[in-house]
Amino acid sequence: DQQVKQNSPSLSVQEGRISILNCDYTNSMFDYFLWYKKYPAEGPTFLISISSIKDKNEDGRFTVFLNKSAKHLSLHIVPSQPGDSAVYFCAASVGGATNKLIFGTGTLLAVQP
Amino acid sequence: DVKVTQSSRYLVKRTGEKVFLECVQDMDHENMFWYRQDPGLGLRLIYFSYDVKMKEKGDIPEGYSVSREKKERFSLILESASTNQTSMYLCASSLMGGWQPQHFGDGTRLSIL
Repeated sequence: DQQVKQNSPSLSVQEGRISILNCDYTNSMFDYFLWYKKYPAEGPTFLISISSIKDKNEDGRFTVFLNKSAKHLSLHIVPSQPGDSAVYFCAASVGGATNKLIFGTGTLLAVQP
Repeated sequence: DVKVTQSSRYLVKRTGEKVFLECVQDMDHENMFWYRQDPGLGLRLIYFSYDVKMKEKGDIPEGYSVSREKKERFSLILESASTNQTSMYLCASSLMGGWQPQHFGDGTRLSIL
């Protein structure tokens, strides 16, 4: 049972436009949500997170929105740059000291120059 | 910066061999994790450890074991390698408590022939 779902395997966007990556979850007990970015042949790197008590968190060009009633979060990248081309994973924290994360399947973002 | 180092970038082994994947982190993190990444399946947790000599099974522990004799080192062991264990293996570490982002190594691409 996939508790964290990224239904779009890929997304293509023009440079300078907005990229919107989506993620749905099923477990209402998740207390934090995180986005990771992964380039080929590298490990994932942490990008941005949001607590379940908030609905928005912003860091530069990256904004994450959380809609708890819909169990949906999204990552907005504005403006998109070619260097943003990567696989993006959303992850949800089950809480507690062990920081165990449940990852989605990832979305490959391609930003076209 | 947190540094998580995986001992090999690429590894080729034969069916039935015992395989050791090593991971070392330099930030005194309590938590360490082993994932495998497969196309269309995202990152799946194999095992994690929240202290020296402490370990817990993740979502797909079958065919694997782990060892954590020192805080900075977490080893993944494939007891008798099989072809379905061909995958990208990622190690991560994090601080304990509340939420903390996990920091990943660059991965080991393991092929079992």
